[in-house]
Amino acid sequence: RKEVEQDPGPFNVPEGATVAFNCTYSNSASQSFFWYRQDCRKEPKLLMSVYSSGNEDGRFTAQLNRASQYISLLIRDSKLSDSATYLCVVNGGYQLIWGAGTKLIIKP
Amino acid sequence: GAVVSQHPSRVICKSGTSVKIECRSLDFQATTMFWYRQFPKQSLMLMATSNEGSKATYEQGVEKDKFLINHASLTLSTLTVTSAHPEDSSFYICSASTGATSNQPQHFGDGTRLSIL
Repeated sequence: RKEVEQDPGPFNVPEGATVAFNCTYSNSASQSFFWYRQDCRKEPKLLMSVYSSGNEDGRFTAQLNRASQYISLLIRDSKLSDSATYLCVVNGGYQLIWGAGTKLIIKP
Repeated sequence: GAVVSQHPSRVICKSGTSVKIECRSLDFQATTMFWYRQFPKQSLMLMATSNEGSKATYEQGVEKDKFLINHASLTLSTLTVTSAHPEDSSFYICSASTGATSNQPQHFGDGTRLSIL
């Protein structure tokens, strides 16, 4: 089993819709969780950290479920500019472990 | 804040050439810098972790004599791909963290697209 797993997608979603995807992790001792977005052929950019109580930033909401060992990202009122690959990142010991990403395509 | 600059952004060179990539943290002191490689449609693969003033820690399968890392200051780390071959063609990205542990997010440079002919 991979340490961090994501559905690769692509998720094809109409503009304005709500979309959510999950990321599962195997190390129950993980303490820090992040969502990054990566545009094609560009570097990853931090989208948001994921806190135990969950957190919201505008149209984006991140949740952590420790019991089931997954984090989620929900995007409301999706925009064309949200099209990207979303990377889930979990700390594993001394380093961060990266998921392979979920590709999201927002269609007009 | 937390700006990381990586240079060059694109390199095309002949097989056998050595290529040096620089990674600078512009507005903060980076205790730790990370070097990643990413092949098309694949996830980031950590190559090595470097702490200022000490030897880099390489991941399994990464040749330390081929990928030389120097982290001489809290704002600069360099990766040198020695005697590069076509199979070394990839997207190389550095990141820097303000913390000594993995609880801090990483901030990325723009990446270097390396093409070896």
